[in-house]
Parts: sequence; C-alpha cells; structure tokens
Amino acid sequence: DTGVSQDPRHKITKRGQNVTFRCDPISEHNRLYWYRQTLGQGPEFLTYFQNEAQLEKSRLLSDRFSAERPKGSFSTLEIQRTEQGDSAMYLCASGPGQGVTDTQYFGPGTRLTVL
Amino acid sequence: AQSVTQLGSHVSVSEGALVLLRCNYSSSVPPYLFWYVQYPNQGLQLLLKYTSAATLVKGINGFEAEFKKSETSFHLTKPSAHMSDAAEYFCAVRTYSGGGADGLTFGKGTHLIIQP
Repeated sequence: DTGVSQDPRHKITKRGQNVTFRCDPISEHNRLYWYRQTLGQGPEFLTYFQNEAQLEKSRLLSDRFSAERPKGSFSTLEIQRTEQGDSAMYLCASGPGQGVTDTQYFGPGTRLTVL
Repeated sequence: AQSVTQLGSHVSVSEGALVLLRCNYSSSVPPYLFWYVQYPNQGLQLLLKYTSAATLVKGINGFEAEFKKSETSFHLTKPSAHMSDAAEYFCAVRTYSGGGADGLTFGKGTHLIIQP
C-alpha cells in the first residue's frame, strides 16, 4: 500500500491557460474522488468515479472542468481557461467501495496558483 | 441534504489538558460521520468514523468521539493533549444524491493549538 499519489504537487499558471492534474489511487480501490480546498475552508466535493464511470458531479464543477478515469486506474482533472478563482488545493482520494461507510484515503494534493 | 458545523475555528489548550473539538451535523437520513486531521503540507488522515455500530468511537492517536443523536453532535475528544496534536481537524458527513452515497461534506475545520 503506497498510498494515494498526486502529480504535480504544485502548479503555477497564467490566467487562461489549461492545466491537468493526475491522481494515482491505492491499487485495487475502485472509487476515486476529487475535492477542492481553498484557504481556511474544508474540502469541497467535486466528483467521483466508480471504476471508470463518473457517477456524480458537484455544481462546483463548471464546464471548464473535466475529469477522466480511463481503465479505472489513475484519474486526471483538467481545468481549461483557468481563472484566478481556480487557485486552490485539489485533493484526490480513493476508497475500496464498501458502501456508505467507505473510508476515503487522501493524497497530498496539488496546489494550483493562477496568476 | 447533509451538513456539518464545527464550532470554533481555533481552539487552544495546554499540553496535557483535555481536547474537545465540537461538531454538529444536520441530516435527513441516518448520518455517517468522520473526523479527519490535516498536518501542514500533508493530506487528510482519517482519525475515526461513526458507522452506527457503536455510539462511542475510538480512533487513532488516543482520540475518540461520541455520537449523540438527541444533540445532533459528534464531538472529538482526547484526554491529554500532546504537542504533536497541533493540526487542522475536519468533521465530515457522508452525502447522498439521487444515485446513492457519493462524497463527503466537510466542516470549515478547527485549528488546534497546543500551548507548552
């Protein structure tokens, strides 16, 4: 069990550029979640996958955001035409898919700064 | 809809003193509740979770929490604070949509400060 990993750990970009983040879940975890955390706030749910299927998306996930999980393994989160309001920590978590009591194991996050 | 409220954005206790971090929940269905800890520059780590099996839940690092339905509370406690407990603590509730259970809804967090 190597834990959830995220890449990159930090990303600085200019407004209007596209960025892509990667998350590698704990192997054999079939659920994968994305959250966003801004300074002084708790994480906010964005979306989640059951294997390769994206099952739920938050209203926070505007059409500039897209997430994929091809083959049910790693996942990518892309933000197009970044805005300064997108600056945040993007967290990924995975879980074994045991239902409502499923524990979510979090990665270290990717900190995005949009200039 | 499900939500949690953490009372007190900052809590300061002396080393060796009781730690009490407050969390109240709102849920139209039986809640599943979690406490996570976040150390600087690290990801969130699960401390404990309530799954309806027992109202008093013991977690890691000496923490425990008691589910009280009548008070809609899930407060986190530790009998004796240690300097290494200084961190941000988040209470969370499992959320549900039309498709079933999905993510977690987190509180705003409580920053625990340990005074020597």
